Amino acid sequence: QSALTQPASVSGSPGQSITISCTGTSSDVGGYNYVSWYQQHPGKAPKLMIYDVSNRPSGVSSRFSGSKSGNTASLTISGLQAEDEADYYCSSYTSSSNQVFGGGTELTVL
Amino acid sequence: QVQLQESGPGLVKPSETLSLTCTVSGGSISSYYWSWIRQPPGKGLEWIGYVYYSGRTNYNPSLMSRVTVSVDTSKTQVSLKLRSVTAADTAVYYCARGHGSGTRMRWFDPWGQGTPVTVSS
Repeated sequence: QSALTQPASVSGSPGQSITISCTGTSSDVGGYNYVSWYQQHPGKAPKLMIYDVSNRPSGVSSRFSGSKSGNTASLTISGLQAEDEADYYCSSYTSSSNQVFGGGTELTVL
Repeated sequence: QVQLQESGPGLVKPSETLSLTCTVSGGSISSYYWSWIRQPPGKGLEWIGYVYYSGRTNYNPSLMSRVTVSVDTSKTQVSLKLRSVTAADTAVYYCARGHGSGTRMRWFDPWGQGTPVTVSS
Protein backbone atom coordinates (compact mmCIF):
# COMPACT_ATOMS: atom_id res chain seq x y z
CA GLN A 1 0.00 0.00 0.00
CA SER A 2 1.35 3.43 -0.90
CA ALA A 3 1.38 6.34 1.51
CA LEU A 4 -1.18 9.06 1.01
CA THR A 5 0.19 12.25 -0.59
CA GLN A 6 0.45 15.42 1.49
CA PRO A 7 2.36 18.64 0.80
CA ALA A 8 5.65 18.65 2.67
CA SER A 9 5.02 22.08 4.13
CA VAL A 10 2.47 24.87 4.37
CA SER A 11 2.62 28.22 6.11
CA GLY A 12 0.36 31.04 7.14
CA SER A 13 0.21 34.14 9.28
CA PRO A 14 -1.66 34.37 12.57
CA GLY A 15 -5.38 34.82 11.98
CA GLN A 16 -5.29 33.41 8.46
CA SER A 17 -6.71 30.10 7.25
CA ILE A 18 -4.72 27.28 5.73
CA THR A 19 -5.69 24.00 4.10
CA ILE A 20 -3.68 20.78 4.00
CA SER A 21 -4.56 18.24 1.33
CA CYS A 22 -4.33 14.47 1.51
CA THR A 23 -4.60 12.58 -1.78
CA GLY A 24 -5.16 8.87 -2.10
CA THR A 25 -7.08 6.55 -4.40
CA SER A 26 -10.51 5.04 -4.74
CA SER A 27 -9.21 2.14 -2.61
CA ASP A 28 -8.69 4.34 0.42
CA VAL A 29 -9.60 8.04 0.72
CA GLY A 30 -12.08 8.01 -2.16
CA GLY A 31 -13.75 4.76 -1.24
CA TYR A 32 -14.67 5.40 2.38
CA ASN A 33 -15.52 8.26 4.71
CA TYR A 34 -12.88 7.04 7.13
CA VAL A 35 -10.17 9.70 6.97
CA SER A 36 -8.61 10.98 10.18
CA TRP A 37 -6.15 13.76 10.93
CA TYR A 38 -3.45 13.99 13.62
CA GLN A 39 -1.41 16.86 15.03
CA GLN A 40 2.12 16.18 16.27
CA HIS A 41 4.27 18.68 18.09
CA PRO A 42 8.05 18.02 18.21
CA GLY A 43 8.93 15.19 20.56
CA LYS A 44 5.28 14.49 21.36
CA ALA A 45 2.81 11.78 20.45
CA PRO A 46 0.27 12.46 17.70
CA LYS A 47 -3.13 13.79 18.77
CA LEU A 48 -6.42 13.06 17.00
CA MET A 49 -7.93 16.23 15.49
CA ILE A 50 -10.53 14.93 13.00
CA TYR A 51 -12.12 11.50 12.44
CA ASP A 52 -14.46 10.10 9.79
CA VAL A 53 -13.55 12.98 7.42
CA SER A 54 -15.19 15.82 9.28
CA ASN A 55 -15.95 14.92 12.90
CA ARG A 56 -14.15 16.73 15.69
CA PRO A 57 -13.43 14.94 18.98
CA SER A 58 -14.47 16.58 22.20
CA GLY A 59 -11.91 19.17 23.24
CA VAL A 60 -10.58 19.96 19.77
CA SER A 61 -11.01 23.58 18.72
CA SER A 62 -13.75 24.39 16.21
CA ARG A 63 -11.04 26.15 14.19
CA PHE A 64 -10.15 22.72 12.85
CA SER A 65 -12.39 21.26 10.16
CA GLY A 66 -12.20 18.44 7.64
CA SER A 67 -13.73 17.67 4.27
CA LYS A 68 -13.38 15.35 1.30
CA SER A 69 -13.90 15.51 -2.44
CA GLY A 70 -13.23 12.44 -4.54
CA ASN A 71 -9.85 10.96 -3.66
CA THR A 72 -8.65 14.04 -1.77
CA ALA A 73 -9.34 14.92 1.85
CA SER A 74 -8.54 18.28 3.38
CA LEU A 75 -7.86 19.73 6.81
CA THR A 76 -8.58 23.42 7.24
CA ILE A 77 -7.35 25.47 10.18
CA SER A 78 -8.97 28.87 10.52
CA GLY A 79 -7.82 31.76 12.70
CA LEU A 80 -4.27 30.38 12.70
CA GLN A 81 -2.50 30.57 16.06
CA ALA A 82 1.14 30.10 17.03
CA GLU A 83 0.24 26.91 18.92
CA ASP A 84 -0.99 25.34 15.67
CA GLU A 85 2.60 25.09 14.42
CA ALA A 86 3.18 21.35 14.21
CA ASP A 87 3.28 18.39 11.85
CA TYR A 88 -0.05 17.10 10.55
CA TYR A 89 -0.76 13.60 9.28
CA CYS A 90 -3.79 12.16 7.53
CA SER A 91 -4.75 8.51 7.67
CA SER A 92 -7.32 6.41 5.86
CA TYR A 93 -8.94 3.02 6.05
CA THR A 94 -8.17 0.94 2.94
CA SER A 95 -9.98 -1.70 0.92
CA SER A 96 -7.54 -4.26 2.38
CA SER A 97 -8.89 -3.43 5.86
CA ASN A 98 -5.58 -1.73 6.65
CA GLN A 99 -4.63 1.79 7.65
CA VAL A 100 -2.35 4.03 5.61
CA PHE A 101 -0.84 7.37 6.65
CA GLY A 102 0.14 10.38 4.62
CA GLY A 103 3.75 11.51 4.55
CA GLY A 104 3.03 14.43 6.87
CA THR A 105 2.87 18.20 6.45
CA GLU A 106 4.90 20.70 8.45
CA LEU A 107 2.83 23.77 9.31
CA THR A 108 4.73 26.98 9.98
CA VAL A 109 2.98 29.96 11.54
CA LEU A 110 4.83 33.03 10.26
CA GLN B 1 -9.34 8.73 31.12
CA VAL B 2 -7.61 5.82 29.41
CA GLN B 3 -3.82 5.96 29.31
CA LEU B 4 -1.36 3.89 27.30
CA GLN B 5 2.25 3.28 28.30
CA GLU B 6 4.79 1.56 26.08
CA SER B 7 7.74 -0.29 27.56
CA GLY B 8 10.61 -2.46 26.38
CA PRO B 9 14.30 -2.49 25.49
CA GLY B 10 15.62 0.66 23.87
CA LEU B 11 18.39 -1.20 22.05
CA VAL B 12 18.05 -4.36 19.97
CA LYS B 13 20.73 -6.14 17.97
CA PRO B 14 20.34 -6.75 14.23
CA SER B 15 18.63 -10.06 13.35
CA GLU B 16 17.09 -10.32 16.83
CA THR B 17 13.46 -9.83 17.90
CA LEU B 18 12.09 -6.49 19.06
CA SER B 19 9.56 -6.98 21.88
CA LEU B 20 7.42 -4.17 23.30
CA THR B 21 4.50 -4.03 25.72
CA CYS B 22 1.71 -1.48 25.95
CA THR B 23 -0.05 -1.29 29.31
CA VAL B 24 -3.59 0.09 29.24
CA SER B 25 -4.94 1.81 32.34
CA GLY B 26 -8.10 3.70 33.21
CA GLY B 27 -10.33 1.98 30.70
CA SER B 28 -11.57 -1.26 29.24
CA ILE B 29 -9.59 -3.20 26.68
CA SER B 30 -12.78 -4.58 25.17
CA SER B 31 -14.31 -3.46 21.87
CA TYR B 32 -11.22 -1.67 20.59
CA TYR B 33 -8.48 -2.25 18.04
CA TRP B 34 -5.13 -2.07 19.84
CA SER B 35 -2.59 -0.78 17.38
CA TRP B 36 1.12 -0.24 16.95
CA ILE B 37 2.48 2.60 14.85
CA ARG B 38 6.10 3.60 14.36
CA GLN B 39 8.01 6.70 13.30
CA PRO B 40 11.64 6.51 12.11
CA PRO B 41 13.82 9.47 13.09
CA GLY B 42 12.81 12.55 11.12
CA LYS B 43 10.22 10.65 9.10
CA GLY B 44 6.48 10.03 9.00
CA LEU B 45 4.14 7.57 10.66
CA GLU B 46 3.81 3.94 9.59
CA TRP B 47 0.97 1.69 10.73
CA ILE B 48 2.29 -1.70 11.89
CA GLY B 49 -0.88 -3.56 12.77
CA TYR B 50 -3.60 -4.13 15.30
CA VAL B 51 -5.17 -6.77 17.48
CA TYR B 52 -8.87 -6.63 18.26
CA TYR B 53 -9.72 -7.42 21.88
CA SER B 54 -11.06 -10.80 20.72
CA GLY B 55 -7.61 -11.67 19.35
CA ARG B 56 -8.24 -11.04 15.65
CA THR B 57 -5.26 -9.35 14.00
CA ASN B 58 -4.49 -7.31 10.90
CA TYR B 59 -1.01 -6.27 9.75
CA ASN B 60 0.70 -3.91 7.34
CA PRO B 61 1.48 -6.10 4.30
CA SER B 62 5.07 -4.81 4.22
CA LEU B 63 5.70 -6.12 7.75
CA MET B 64 3.31 -9.05 7.92
CA SER B 65 5.98 -11.75 7.60
CA ARG B 66 7.88 -10.45 10.65
CA VAL B 67 5.29 -9.06 13.05
CA THR B 68 2.98 -10.42 15.74
CA VAL B 69 0.61 -8.30 17.82
CA SER B 70 -1.24 -9.92 20.71
CA VAL B 71 -3.44 -8.94 23.62
CA ASP B 72 -3.59 -10.17 27.22
CA THR B 73 -6.98 -9.02 28.50
CA SER B 74 -6.29 -10.21 32.05
CA LYS B 75 -3.26 -7.94 32.27
CA THR B 76 -4.74 -5.23 29.99
CA GLN B 77 -1.55 -5.37 27.95
CA VAL B 78 -0.86 -5.40 24.24
CA SER B 79 2.38 -6.82 22.87
CA LEU B 80 4.41 -6.28 19.72
CA LYS B 81 7.04 -8.66 18.40
CA LEU B 82 9.06 -7.78 15.31
CA ARG B 83 11.48 -10.46 14.17
CA SER B 84 14.75 -10.25 12.25
CA VAL B 85 15.20 -6.53 12.80
CA THR B 86 17.59 -4.31 10.87
CA ALA B 87 18.68 -0.70 11.21
CA ALA B 88 15.62 0.26 9.14
CA ASP B 89 13.45 -0.75 12.10
CA THR B 90 14.96 2.00 14.28
CA ALA B 91 12.05 4.23 15.26
CA VAL B 92 9.81 5.54 18.00
CA TYR B 93 7.10 2.93 18.52
CA TYR B 94 3.64 4.08 19.57
CA CYS B 95 0.74 2.14 20.97
CA ALA B 96 -2.71 3.55 20.17
CA ARG B 97 -6.34 2.64 20.75
CA GLY B 98 -8.18 2.11 17.49
CA HIS B 99 -11.87 2.84 16.99
CA GLY B 100 -14.19 1.31 14.43
CA SER B 101 -16.60 -1.55 13.83
CA GLY B 102 -16.41 -4.97 12.24
CA THR B 103 -13.24 -5.18 10.16
CA ARG B 104 -13.08 -1.40 9.73
CA MET B 105 -10.76 0.29 12.15
CA ARG B 106 -11.17 4.02 11.44
CA TRP B 107 -9.11 6.19 13.76
CA PHE B 108 -6.57 6.15 16.60
CA ASP B 109 -7.22 7.80 19.96
CA PRO B 110 -5.50 8.11 22.34
CA TRP B 111 -1.83 7.38 21.73
CA GLY B 112 0.87 6.40 24.17
CA GLN B 113 3.87 8.67 24.60
CA GLY B 114 6.00 6.37 22.44
CA THR B 115 9.20 4.47 23.15
CA PRO B 116 12.38 4.83 21.09
CA VAL B 117 14.03 1.68 19.80
CA THR B 118 17.45 1.59 18.18
CA VAL B 119 18.66 -1.41 16.21
CA SER B 120 22.43 -1.59 16.44
CA SER B 121 25.16 -4.02 17.34
